[in-house]
Amino acid sequence: DAGVIQSPRHEVTEMGQEVTLRCKPISGHNSLFWYRQTMMRGLELLIYFNNNVPIDDSGMPEDRFSAKMPNASFSTLKIQPSEPRDSAVYFCASRGQTSSYNEQFFGPGTRLTVL
Amino acid sequence: GENVEQHPSTLSVQEGDSAVIKCTYSDSASNYFPWYKQELGKRPQLIIDIRSNVGEKKDQRIAVTLNKTAKHFSLHITETQPEDSAVYFCAANYGGSQGNLIFGKGTKLSVKP
Repeated sequence: DAGVIQSPRHEVTEMGQEVTLRCKPISGHNSLFWYRQTMMRGLELLIYFNNNVPIDDSGMPEDRFSAKMPNASFSTLKIQPSEPRDSAVYFCASRGQTSSYNEQFFGPGTRLTVL
Repeated sequence: GENVEQHPSTLSVQEGDSAVIKCTYSDSASNYFPWYKQELGKRPQLIIDIRSNVGEKKDQRIAVTLNKTAKHFSLHITETQPEDSAVYFCAANYGGSQGNLIFGKGTKLSVKP
């Protein structure tokens, strides 16, 4: 298994532009998590899905952020419009019903820089 | 809401010494406590976890202890090596087996040769 796949790995954009981050969870996993990591705030949960349904989006900073999971093998996190304070590493993680209890497997992350 | 506190934020030890990282959690219903290691520029990876029906778990040089009454758990690394240098995160589950994890702020461990 290739593990959790994220794209792009690096993204540099200008303030005001739309940014779309993509995630492919491990095949067979039914839960997907989006995290944001910064030096100041650490690892923050933005939103998570169970069986493609958003369960908790209380961590989404504001309306500029949106996430979708149209099917079990794909999710997107969109920022529109982007701002410099959105610069961070965004991780996607997945979890399966048969995996070791609550273990989450992280993707390699997308490093986003908003100029 | 659920909160996980982690201490210290930075820890520096000599190679061969032991390192201890401590975490406390607030939700008494939490019953799964994983530890993740994140090397510079890499993703967090699970290194050990413990469930609330167990008080201690060991895997070679690392061990985790859990005190449910006091709601705290600790990571112990013995005979530290330079490759142990990384950021370590503790976490506690929230919302049952299909809920999420609440992470501590992380501990940057530096092992000096």
